[in-house]
Amino acid sequence: DTGVSQDPRHKITKRGQNVTFRCDPISEHNRLYWYRQTLGQGPEFLTYFQNEAQLEKSRLLSDRFSAERPKGSFSTLEIQRTEQGDSAMYLCASSPDGRLNEKLFFGSGTQLSVL
Amino acid sequence: AQTVTQSQPEMSVQEAETVTLSCTYDTSESDYYLFWYKQPPSRQMILVIRQEAYKQQNATENRFSVNFQKAAKSFSLKISDSQLGDAAMYFCAYNWLTDKLIFGTGTRLQVFP
Repeated sequence: DTGVSQDPRHKITKRGQNVTFRCDPISEHNRLYWYRQTLGQGPEFLTYFQNEAQLEKSRLLSDRFSAERPKGSFSTLEIQRTEQGDSAMYLCASSPDGRLNEKLFFGSGTQLSVL
Repeated sequence: AQTVTQSQPEMSVQEAETVTLSCTYDTSESDYYLFWYKQPPSRQMILVIRQEAYKQQNATENRFSVNFQKAAKSFSLKISDSQLGDAAMYFCAYNWLTDKLIFGTGTRLQVFP
């Protein structure tokens, strides 16, 4: 168990560029979540996968955002045409199958700065 | 809509002393789950303690305990014998039916030697 891994740790980009983040969950975990955390706030839910199926998306996830989880393993979160308001930390979390409301295991996040 | 409120942006405590972090929430549901997560400078959120709303007994994990007042919709975290390693952001969170967590804005805890 190596924990939830996120890459990159930091990303600086210019407004209008596309960025992609990667999350590798704990290997036996079937559920994967993306959250966004802005300065001074708690994390906000973005989207959730059960295996490769994207089961829920927040209204926060505009058309410029897309998430995938091919083959139910790692996940990617892409932001197209970045805006300064996208600057935030993007957190990934995973949990095993079984009873809901169990513990989520979080990664260390990707800090995005849009200049 | 469910909301979680943490009214203490910052708290401080001396090493070995006890500190209580406050959290209130709003929900119309009767069966739900409450959590306290710790976020140290490493940024990784770590579960501190979990409470199931249908259980009247307050959850305890070593030096961490909660005071769960369901009628008042209050869920405070007590840290006993505070240690320097307890310094972090603490987030109260709620969920119901799914694993999707609703977080409060957090309380920054400083621990002084």
